[in-house]
Amino acid sequence: AQSVTQLGSHVSVSEGALVLLRCNYSSSVPPYLFWYVQYPNQGLQLLLKYTSAATLVKGINGFEAEFKKSETSFHLTKPSAHMSDAAEYFCAVSEGQAGTALIFGKGTTLSVSS
Amino acid sequence: EAQVTQNPRYLITVTGKKLTVTCSQNMNHEYMSWYRQDPGLGLRQIYYSMNVEVTDKGDVPEGYKVSRKEKRNFPLILESPSPNQTSLYFCASRRLAGDNTGELFFGEGSRLTVL
Repeated sequence: AQSVTQLGSHVSVSEGALVLLRCNYSSSVPPYLFWYVQYPNQGLQLLLKYTSAATLVKGINGFEAEFKKSETSFHLTKPSAHMSDAAEYFCAVSEGQAGTALIFGKGTTLSVSS
Repeated sequence: EAQVTQNPRYLITVTGKKLTVTCSQNMNHEYMSWYRQDPGLGLRQIYYSMNVEVTDKGDVPEGYKVSRKEKRNFPLILESPSPNQTSLYFCASRRLAGDNTGELFFGEGSRLTVL
């Protein structure tokens, strides 16, 4: 069975600092991996996705993530945090077309201070 | 504009009063799904549908019903709501044919409070 673990329910950074949100997954088949962002009172928006092409994936708003099969990780990073990055972030795993669900982690709330 | 539309966005109701949350998508997606989001638990799947007249349970289906009579619509029905169904609900859809990634497109969410 697939599962996703997000390490740290809350992460706080200063504006301009590196953002690192951790995600580890388990999957019995080659996974498809996603990061979604949820701004307050809004739905989920796709940040980026890994679909077995390049292991370093670039997304919107300057975020990127690297797929590391040996570590079963898909950590999300951004070199310099902005106040507008404050939101909740969800990592998710899918078995692709064969899968019947995206399996989500429990989420990480990112706070950015000035 | 491609979108998933949910209604109502906010609802306060009382225990036992039947309600329906509607979901409609205009992307001709085969797959639709309902999730609930609760603090500290992330998103959990309630029901999903692979196509018209084909529905199946997700991880937390108790107390919910769905139907898929048309491809674009996937309503979530709470026959007798209880306070533990107070939650934020998301409808989502995706293509199946020609898409093998599983990327979901989400509605804006429906915040339900059951008193």
